[in-house]
Amino acid sequence: AQKITQTQPGMFVQEKEAVTLDCTYDTSDQSYGLFWYKQPSSGEMIFLIYQGSYDEQNATEGRYSLNFQKARKSANLVISASQLGDSAMYFCAMRDLTGANSKLTFGKGITLSVRP
Amino acid sequence: DAGVIQSPRHEVTEMGQEVTLRCKPISGHDYLFWYRQTMMRGLELLIYFNNNVPIDDSGMPEDRFSAKMPNASFSTLKIQPSEPRDSAVYFCASSSRGFTEKLFFGSGTQLSVL
Repeated sequence: AQKITQTQPGMFVQEKEAVTLDCTYDTSDQSYGLFWYKQPSSGEMIFLIYQGSYDEQNATEGRYSLNFQKARKSANLVISASQLGDSAMYFCAMRDLTGANSKLTFGKGITLSVRP
Repeated sequence: DAGVIQSPRHEVTEMGQEVTLRCKPISGHDYLFWYRQTMMRGLELLIYFNNNVPIDDSGMPEDRFSAKMPNASFSTLKIQPSEPRDSAVYFCASSSRGFTEKLFFGSGTQLSVL
């Protein structure tokens, strides 16, 4: 069964600094996708970045990058040059193909607070 | 595209009443998911559909919950009878097929059962 683990307590970072949010996962599948979503206080779920299990390069999307270490089954999100608007809940998620079906499993999330 | 549309945005009801949440997925998407979010349990997958067929409903808490997808553009999640512990934010999401495909989420329905 899929499992996503996010164990960090609430994280704090100074504005303009970088921060890493940890995520480990467990799956027996060879093909899977890893996703990060952001949920600000307004409640919407915002897609940030995607990493495929076969991708050799770490994914990047603007200030977001994913530190993907397949052997360690970790997919940490790195946010560079933090902004006040980055304060939110961050969820790591995994999607694989089990037979013909494909669902997205989320971790518990990490709260990030950016200090001015 | 208008994105995933959920209604209502907020629902306040009394214990024992029937509650129906609605979702319109993005046109062309094969998959539709219903999630529930609470502080204690985080984001839980309740049920998901592939081409209107329920695939996995193992996350549905109990028989009081039911979900349908009568066509590709509409789904409902029904709670009957509702209980205070059902209070949560319910998200609908849709996606194309494949593990590379991200989910697009609706704005959610904030349900309060008094």
